[in-house]
Amino acid sequence: SYELTQPPSVSVSPGQTARITCSGDALPKQYAYWYQQKPGQAPVLVIYKDSERPSGIPERFSGSSSGTTVTLTISGVQAEDEADYYCQSADSSGTYPDVVFGGGTKLTVL
Amino acid sequence: QVTLKESGPVLVKPTETLTLTCTVSGFSLSNARMGVSWIRQPPGKALEWLAHIFSNDEKSYSTSLKSRLTISKDTSKSQVVLTMTNMDPVDTATYYCARIVWETYYFDYWGQGTLVTVSS
Repeated sequence: SYELTQPPSVSVSPGQTARITCSGDALPKQYAYWYQQKPGQAPVLVIYKDSERPSGIPERFSGSSSGTTVTLTISGVQAEDEADYYCQSADSSGTYPDVVFGGGTKLTVL
Repeated sequence: QVTLKESGPVLVKPTETLTLTCTVSGFSLSNARMGVSWIRQPPGKALEWLAHIFSNDEKSYSTSLKSRLTISKDTSKSQVVLTMTNMDPVDTATYYCARIVWETYYFDYWGQGTLVTVSS
């Protein structure tokens, strides 16, 4: 199975823009998804199919893709956005898909 | 309203078999576009996908754990069951079940998770 690589941590001040990257060889061919996880809680989907936002997710969350890297952008970061963020994709090259998560990025709001 | 709820033992001994049940509501396990996955997270560590099952009984397992995992479903009970054999302390984790979307393979709804500790 392939791997997704994320930076361990990102820090931003309130109101600034946070960018979290995720790199993987299969990302040019496969969609990426992003999840937010706050301490003691289950993950929540914040971006699907690289850049689509589920209903109920604030507009400040956006996603983009370029080659082997996808990026989660949080514009105008708020204190409540402090959380772990995980990217996820699926390698469908085999008979059955192999689902992969990145190692997670801890977003700290200074 | 879609909900998923995990149930099972909180403590298992090394070498024992873990059996976890995910009970779903708000959607049917016979829905062709939806399935159920199991995902785990050791304390302080990243998420790890384990397995999933769809309405047509298509199953897929993590390559590294395939020999120890079995996933099954009971559509009439709205339940998905995961068994993991030969448990070890490194398997201590919060185990989540989540709804997985067909063909795109992402998780749109998650259960609250259940912490399983492996210790003698």
